[in-house]
Amino acid sequence: AQSVTQLDSQVPVFEEAPVELRCNYSSSVSVYLFWYVQYPNQGLQLLLKYLSGSTLVESINGFEAEFNKSQTSFHLRKPSVHISDTAEYFCAVSAWDDYKLSFGAGTTVTVRA
Amino acid sequence: DAGVIQSPRHEVTEMGQEVTLRCKPISGHDYLFWYRQTMMRGLELLIYFNNNVPIDDSGMPEDRFSAKMPNASFSTLKIQPSEPRDSAVYFCASTGQGVFYEQFFGPGTRLTVL
Repeated sequence: AQSVTQLDSQVPVFEEAPVELRCNYSSSVSVYLFWYVQYPNQGLQLLLKYLSGSTLVESINGFEAEFNKSQTSFHLRKPSVHISDTAEYFCAVSAWDDYKLSFGAGTTVTVRA
Repeated sequence: DAGVIQSPRHEVTEMGQEVTLRCKPISGHDYLFWYRQTMMRGLELLIYFNNNVPIDDSGMPEDRFSAKMPNASFSTLKIQPSEPRDSAVYFCASTGQGVFYEQFFGPGTRLTVL
């Protein structure tokens, strides 16, 4: 079975400052890794994912995450946040070639002006 | 595409009543997932289907919960009888071949059991 630990439950950050959300996973098999974002009163949306290939993956709105197999991590970063990035962020893992996801507890990011 | 559709968006009921939540997945997706989200327990997978067949229901809390998928375009999650501790947001998600393991979530149903 797979599991995910998100190390920070809440991250306050000022607008235009960088942010990093930490995610560690546990699995005995190869994995796929995901970051989902949930805006208030909405469902989750995929932000980015790692399936194979380059360990650095990017989203269209400036987020990036790096798969580190030796440290079993998939941390999410953004060099400069906007007010609109205020949301809850979930790290998730699945076994290779499996559609079932295990989610972390989530990290609430609050961006202040 | 309209995305995953869930109904109702909000449901308020009294303890002991039957509650039925509905989901229409994205056309062509052959996996459907039901999740529950609460402050205390976070996001929990309740059950998922592949080609309308339940594959893993180990997350269903107890016998009061049941889920069905009579065809590829419709699924229900039923709670009978409902209890206050069932109050949560219930999400449906779908995925399939061609979307590279991305799950598409519906807007959720916010259930309040009084």
